[in-house]
Amino acid sequence: KAGVTQTPRYLIKTRGQQVTLSCSPISGHRSVSWYQQTPGQGLQFLFEYFSETQRNKGNFPGRFSGRQFSNSRSEMNVSTLELGDSALYLCASRLTVSGGADEQFFGPGTRLTVL
Amino acid sequence: GNSVTQMEGPVTLSEEAFLTINCTYTATGYPSLFWYVQYPGEGLQLLLKATKADDKGSNKGFEATYRKETTSFHLEKGSVQVSDSAVYFCALSHNNAGNMLTFGGGTRLMVKP
Repeated sequence: KAGVTQTPRYLIKTRGQQVTLSCSPISGHRSVSWYQQTPGQGLQFLFEYFSETQRNKGNFPGRFSGRQFSNSRSEMNVSTLELGDSALYLCASRLTVSGGADEQFFGPGTRLTVL
Repeated sequence: GNSVTQMEGPVTLSEEAFLTINCTYTATGYPSLFWYVQYPGEGLQLLLKATKADDKGSNKGFEATYRKETTSFHLEKGSVQVSDSAVYFCALSHNNAGNMLTFGGGTRLMVKP
């Protein structure tokens, strides 16, 4: 079974631009979460989608948004990029959202660099 | 809110040494606890988990016991290998936070031959 895939793997943008990252979950998984990883702030939760609905959101500005499609694939968008948005963006999928012990499977991440 | 604190690294050990990485958490009730590992250039992989007090999670020689009385979930391995060199993250999830993962800051482990 294929794992979580993220595209692109690397991205370079300039300040003020916008960017869209894509995540394809494991087949059959309906929940997709996004996390931002930076050396200074560590791993921080961005949002989670389940059945095309955002069910949870972290403490990030409105420039960060996402969506989920009917096939469970998810995209996240960052508008008006800032230097501080440079990070590794990780996507994770899981089968359901009913239990806290459900394993989340992570993709390899998209490395975003903002110049 | 929920939080996780783990020892800062890097931790440098010789091969076959004993490993302990400390992790403590703050949360009400009974969160689920996890250890994830991140190898260079890769995403996170679940190493082990525990869902209730006194549970012991184990995998690939690594172990961690859910200690409610000390709110801890320390990671241990009796004999590390060079291939264990990676960054280790302690994390919790709780239904009071939509079951999202809250991570510690990560501990880099370097094992020398």
